[in-house]
Amino acid sequence: ELKVEQNPLFLSMQEGKNYTIYCNYSTTSDRLYWYRQDPGKSLESLFVLLSNGAVKQEGRLMASLDTKARLSTLHITAAVHDLSATYFCAVSNDMRFGAGTRLTVKP
Amino acid sequence: DAGVIQSPRHEVTEMGQEVTLRCKPISGHDYLFWYRQTMMRGLELLIYFNNNVPIDDSGMPEDRFSAKMPNASFSTLKIQPSEPRDSAVYFCASSPPGELFFGEGSRLTVL
Repeated sequence: ELKVEQNPLFLSMQEGKNYTIYCNYSTTSDRLYWYRQDPGKSLESLFVLLSNGAVKQEGRLMASLDTKARLSTLHITAAVHDLSATYFCAVSNDMRFGAGTRLTVKP
Repeated sequence: DAGVIQSPRHEVTEMGQEVTLRCKPISGHDYLFWYRQTMMRGLELLIYFNNNVPIDDSGMPEDRFSAKMPNASFSTLKIQPSEPRDSAVYFCASSPPGELFFGEGSRLTVL
């Protein structure tokens, strides 16, 4: 069965700092997705990564995919409070999600 | 398009009662997914359909849960009888395939 692991599960960071969230998966997949969920809300699509080496950037977030290593990263640059949310990755084989990374950005 | 529409948004029921959750996917999307989200278990895939046909229901917790998709614009998730441990937020999502588009969720509380 496909396993999707994210780390860290909880991340507290200061505004202005950089950090990376990791998503590992256990079987071959050619697509990976990142989603954001605010407390009490639904999930919102952030990035769709379609091939090995794909890199997507939106504002302070940048996502990349290494299909050979079965690894995707979500890099946060100069964090701001508005980025506080839970971030999920999902693998395309059957759209199973990781446990999520709960990010808190403190002033 | 209005997006994925789920109903009810909130449901409070008593143990043993039947619960039916409904979902209208985005028109033209071939895939429909049902997820359950709890603090303890995270976001679990329950079942998904392709062109109205169930493809993988291995995530359905037990026989008390059933899901149907009678046509391309409607799906139901039924729990009978409901139990307190079924309390969760149930999300429906559709996709073209690929990227998922989520509904707002149905928050179920079983007393």
